[in-house]
Amino acid sequence: AQTVTQSQPEMSVQEAETVTLSCTYDTSESNYYLFWYKQPPSRQMILVIRQEAYKQQNATENRFSVNFQKAAKSFSLKISDSQLGDTAMYFCAFMKHSNSGYALNFGKGTSLLVTP
Amino acid sequence: GEEVAQTPKHLVRGEGQKAKLYCAPIKGHSYVFWYQQVLKNEFKFLISFQNENVFDETGMPKERFSAKCLPNSPCSLEIQATKLEDSAVYFCASSHPRRTEAFFGQGTRLTVV
Repeated sequence: AQTVTQSQPEMSVQEAETVTLSCTYDTSESNYYLFWYKQPPSRQMILVIRQEAYKQQNATENRFSVNFQKAAKSFSLKISDSQLGDTAMYFCAFMKHSNSGYALNFGKGTSLLVTP
Repeated sequence: GEEVAQTPKHLVRGEGQKAKLYCAPIKGHSYVFWYQQVLKNEFKFLISFQNENVFDETGMPKERFSAKCLPNSPCSLEIQATKLEDSAVYFCASSHPRRTEAFFGQGTRLTVV
């Protein structure tokens, strides 16, 4: 079974600053995908970024980037130039196969507060 | 449709009553997933479908929970004889057969009193 661990239940960052959210996972799979989802107070789950395990290059989406360390089984999310709208729960998720029918395994989330 | 549509948004049931939740996946998406989120944190996978067939039901408490995805109808998740611990937000998600991203609906908040 795959487990996903987010060790920071809560974090705070000032507007315009950079913050990094941690995620580690445990798996024996060689082919898998990793995701970060954002859940604002509206509770809508929004995909932030995706990483394929076979790709060494770290994924980037505008202000969001990841540091994927496959050997260490680590997948951290960096948010640059934080904005008030980034305030949300952030969930790291693992999918064990490229077949999109497999479910996501989620971490317990990190609550991020962006302050003025 | 262009988004995953879940109904109702809120549902209140007395303990022991039945609850039925609905989900219309994005058009063209052949996979549908149900997740349970308790206390704004932990997501628990319940069941997934490939079209109308169960793909993975390893997370499903089979005694009281059942789910269906029938052709030309919204998918449904039904809880018989609800218990207090069933109170949660139930999310439906769908994904395209050739892409890995799952798109989520806005969830149904079930409150059992």
